Amino acid sequence: SAVISQKPSRDICQRGTSLTIQCQVDSQVTMMFWYRQQPGQSLTLIATANQGSEATYESGFVIDKFPISRPNLTFSTLTVSNMSPEDSSIYLCSVLFPSGVYEQYFGPGTRLTVT
Amino acid sequence: AQKVTQAQTEISVVEKEDVTLDCVYETRDTTYYLFWYKQPPSGELVFLIRRNSFDEQNEISGRYSWNFQKSTSSFNFTITASQVVDSAVYFCALRRAGANSKLTFGKGITLSVRP
Repeated sequence: SAVISQKPSRDICQRGTSLTIQCQVDSQVTMMFWYRQQPGQSLTLIATANQGSEATYESGFVIDKFPISRPNLTFSTLTVSNMSPEDSSIYLCSVLFPSGVYEQYFGPGTRLTVT
Repeated sequence: AQKVTQAQTEISVVEKEDVTLDCVYETRDTTYYLFWYKQPPSGELVFLIRRNSFDEQNEISGRYSWNFQKSTSSFNFTITASQVVDSAVYFCALRRAGANSKLTFGKGITLSVRP
């Protein structure tokens, strides 16, 4: 595995504002994903961050609300836009490495509270 | 469609007891991968194990062991002599083969180990 870091680790934001979460990996990865985990719930995939092209969003998630960038093979950002209290969740970055054994690793998460 | 069922939602044990976390999956694929993750209170998702569908050997790692049975579509996780540090939410997950496949998570089991 490798080291996956996320910034910020937690934040408290006011409704209507936006927050950008960064994910940095210390080695090149094949794929990067963003997940949301609402309080007491399982993980839900938001989108797959594609290097050099638009992200692929899952049903129920749209680019205007969750714009994603992936400028290179080790870095991605997720923005949560026009936040409401329902966006209060843990947001996790996840990666797959080129070894191809389908072991997916997760970053430490960003704990977001919207007031 | 793929599905992972973790019927137990919360388990509480006293330290040093053995505990088994159940996982039942559904898939029509012949090649697939099963995973267990641990999420301590800090929120990070920690990878524990990956098992391929063509490898039914059970695995032991220290106090942890996994029992994979294709006949019953189950991939159960046993912690022997549990410790307080084992307190966490445990997720079972399933992925089909293929570079663009995605993880399907169960709802998670909250394990509390009391001193």
